[in-house]
Amino acid sequence: EENLLESGGGSVQPGGSLRLSCAASGFTFNNYAMNWVRQAPGRRLEWVSNIGGSGGPIFYADSVKGRFSISRDNSKNMVYLQMNSLRAEDTAVYYCAKDSLSVGGHWLDPWGQGTLVTVSS
Amino acid sequence: EIVMTQSPATLSVSPGERATLSCRASQYVESDVAWYQQKPGQAPRLLIYAASTRATGVPVRFSGSGSGTDFTLTISSLQSEDFAVYYCQQYDVWPLTFGGGTKVEIK
Repeated sequence: EENLLESGGGSVQPGGSLRLSCAASGFTFNNYAMNWVRQAPGRRLEWVSNIGGSGGPIFYADSVKGRFSISRDNSKNMVYLQMNSLRAEDTAVYYCAKDSLSVGGHWLDPWGQGTLVTVSS
Repeated sequence: EIVMTQSPATLSVSPGERATLSCRASQYVESDVAWYQQKPGQAPRLLIYAASTRATGVPVRFSGSGSGTDFTLTISSLQSEDFAVYYCQQYDVWPLTFGGGTKVEIK
């Protein structure tokens, strides 16, 4: 069974940093691109970033470009999201989601259970 | 970016009835649309991809249709476990974008 488990969420002050991790199991990890998607309270899902199966190409939403960095370690079946210069509007549940192909963005399946990031002073 | 607009925002349906959910893209996206179901406190679950292909394990009462800019998710006979929020997503161009969701509630 394919499974994703996020960790690393928490509360941080504006301007601070957090690193989210996602552990994958049940599939050949380096064969698939991986995504981060977030959902602020009461708002729609917002795609954040995508990384190809071999570590590239990498894509970001304009709202996080220059502040967030996605990476992966295929030897550990892990994907990461380094979040710097955090803002109140980054407050959301962050989901890790497996892409359907090795490169590019497509349909997402499965999703992890999510980790909550709260940015507040 | 492509804006995905879902309607209605809320749909009140009785168990056993048919539910029809709509999703409109602000520009042409071929058939590059997926549908997800999300229950409170849970992650989204993939239902449909390529506009009309059911994901593995999805009951046949869920069906998708459409191409271009207009898409539909139909639930033929609502079961108690189907009351949830449904999102459409386009993956034709970056960035991936999602609709605002349709909440299917018990009438």
